[in-house]
Amino acid sequence: LAKTTQPISMDSYEGQEVNITCSHNNIATNDYITWYQQFPSQGPRFIIQGYKTKVTNEVASLFIPADRKSSTLSLPRVSLSDTAVYYCLVGDRDGGFKTIFGAGTRLFVKA
Amino acid sequence: AAGVIQSPRHLIKEKRETATLKCYPIPRHDTVYWYQQGPGQDPQFLISFYEKMQSDKGSIPDRFSAQQFSDYHSELNMSSLELGDSALYFCASSLLGTGGNEQFFGPGTRLTVL
Repeated sequence: LAKTTQPISMDSYEGQEVNITCSHNNIATNDYITWYQQFPSQGPRFIIQGYKTKVTNEVASLFIPADRKSSTLSLPRVSLSDTAVYYCLVGDRDGGFKTIFGAGTRLFVKA
Repeated sequence: AAGVIQSPRHLIKEKRETATLKCYPIPRHDTVYWYQQGPGQDPQFLISFYEKMQSDKGSIPDRFSAQQFSDYHSELNMSSLELGDSALYFCASSLLGTGGNEQFFGPGTRLTVL
């Protein structure tokens, strides 16, 4: 399983765009990149998943460069309720029974 | 929409006692995962089941065991409890091969060992 590296914490203000970058230098050809959000004392919640280029859904965008050695989760116009821990996971989409959560990024959104 | 159900939500045990945590996956999901999350820690993968068969193991202590039953619910059995077992235990379920193996997490069971 590819190891991931993310910033330990980030601060932002309401209304700003937040970009969290994850490094995964050893990503394998079959690996997908998945991001989860976790609030205190709650289970992680799926945000977005991608393989290459750009993926967008109603809550976030995921940018993946051609070499796929990193990815950036973009949260547009964050609010206080986006304060949470964000995890980047890399693994084979169809064979991913073993899921490794690395050290996530603690995002603090201020008023 | 139905979500993952875990019971009990809170559990208090003494050292050396046993505990059983239950997980009811989303209907039609074929894969169940168990995670342990200590205070201030990131989730640690314990074990997973696919179609009622153990599919992978992570950092699960030998004192713990788990199984998935014919109705797809799963139970995590923990024996000889230690203080360090105090944590949030999450169960997640997914349906392989559709939509990217997105895992849906339950609300967790908070285990306190005294």
